[in-house]
Amino acid sequence: QSALTQPASVSGSPGQSITISCTGTSSDVGSYNLVSWYQQHPGKAPKLLIFEVTQRPSGISARFSGSKSGNTASLTISGLQAEDEADYYCSSYGGSSSTVFGGGTKLTVL
Amino acid sequence: QAQLVQSGAEVKRPGSSVTVSCKASGDTFSNSGISWVRQAPGQGLEWMGGIVPVFGTARYAQKFQGRVTITADDSTSTAYMELNSLRSEDSAIYYCARDRGNWYPPIFYFYRMDVWGQGTTVTVSS
Repeated sequence: QSALTQPASVSGSPGQSITISCTGTSSDVGSYNLVSWYQQHPGKAPKLLIFEVTQRPSGISARFSGSKSGNTASLTISGLQAEDEADYYCSSYGGSSSTVFGGGTKLTVL
Repeated sequence: QAQLVQSGAEVKRPGSSVTVSCKASGDTFSNSGISWVRQAPGQGLEWMGGIVPVFGTARYAQKFQGRVTITADDSTSTAYMELNSLRSEDSAIYYCARDRGNWYPPIFYFYRMDVWGQGTTVTVSS
């Protein structure tokens, strides 16, 4: 299985909205509504932000939202804050019990 | 509050094996899975495999098939990941994570890692 494709970096100013894309294939993102998004700050373990494309775990801000169209999933962060600066990873169920991650996107808050 | 506590850092020689443990506290494994994910220095996340402890059924990413073994002891709420034939490229932080995926009998879908261990650094060097 190949990794999902994410942009290497995105940036935005405080208060703005940004969107991170995650492109897979018809065997993973396109076949299952089982896309998750994770946030990782330097030196920390990843944190689940979104699961099943659009669902937020308890305690996750509504500023984080997810969507999917065809083989591409997206994470939108609205009202950017300084503490949102981190690496973001998407993942998708890919069949045969396995999951596959994207390569990660570094978000810079200007 | 569920928590996963992993074993300490390891330094290994090429060709040897390493076992990392992951103990759950504050919550049992219940019907969840445990996924193992690694992250090489400066690189992204990579799913290695997972297990549903209550059933003991492990599944592996194709890349690691034959080289990794994931087990669990439900009575002690501890999962283990053993990686064999280590090479320098295996130097990474290894994470365990509770996976609240879903059962679509007879298969457990690993896709929703909601509680993570602190990570275990494995260094492979001669």
